[in-house]
Amino acid sequence: AQSVSQHNHHVILSEAASLELGCNYSYGGTVNLFWYVQYPGQHLQLLLKYFSGDPLVKGIKGFEAEFIKSKFSFNLRKPSVQWSDTAEYFCAVNAAPSGTYKYIFGTGTRLKVLA
Amino acid sequence: NAGVTQTPKFQVLKTGQSMTLQCAQDMNHEYMSWYRQDPGMGLRLIHYSVGAGITDQGEVPNGYNVSRSTTEDFPLRLLSAAPSQTSVYFCASSFDLGGLNTGELFFGEGSRLTVL
Repeated sequence: AQSVSQHNHHVILSEAASLELGCNYSYGGTVNLFWYVQYPGQHLQLLLKYFSGDPLVKGIKGFEAEFIKSKFSFNLRKPSVQWSDTAEYFCAVNAAPSGTYKYIFGTGTRLKVLA
Repeated sequence: NAGVTQTPKFQVLKTGQSMTLQCAQDMNHEYMSWYRQDPGMGLRLIHYSVGAGITDQGEVPNGYNVSRSTTEDFPLRLLSAAPSQTSVYFCASSFDLGGLNTGELFFGEGSRLTVL
C-alpha cells in the first residue's frame, strides 16, 4: 500500500529565508508525485507535479521540487519565502502508472512566515 | 464552469442520524474521490471512483457509503453518524487520461460536519 510521510509538522521562517519541506513515500512501483497548498480558509490547490523525465520540477510562485528515486523522496523548496506563503503544504502520491488509483496525502506541514 | 460543487457547506447531526453529502462536477472528470481532513492527520481518502458504476475503498471507508450512477455526481452517505465522523469533508475530481489517473485533483470548497 502507498503511504506518504512529511517530517516537518510546523515550520516558522522569516521572510527571505529559504524553505525545504521533506516528503518521503512508500511504494514499490512507479508513482506520480504532487505538492498541494492550502491557504487559510481555502481548499487545496496544486503547486507542482512530477510524472516522469527531469526530476527537478518547477511549479507556481517560485516553488520547485526534486524527485530522488533512490531515496523515495520529493522535497519541496523555495529560495526565498514571502509572508504570503503562509499556508499548509501537502505532499501526495498516486500509483496510477502501476494500476492503483488511490491518491494518498501526507499529514501536511504548516508554514508560518514572519514579516 | 462551476468546477466541483459540494453541499451542504455546514451540517450538524446527532449521533445515529444519517445524511448525504453531495458532490457534483461539470468537467467530465472520470475520477472522483472523497477525503476527510482532521487536524494533524492531513487528508485521508474515504472512497474513490474511476468512472460511473465503479467505486472502491480508500484508507478510512468504515461508516461511509458511496455510489456513482453518473459521471457528474458522487454522493457520500453516512448511515449512522458518530462523533468520530466530525470532520471537514472534501470532494475532488481529476481527468483520467487513457486509463491512467495522472492529473491534478480539483477540490470542492469543503463540507464541515459536526456530530454531537
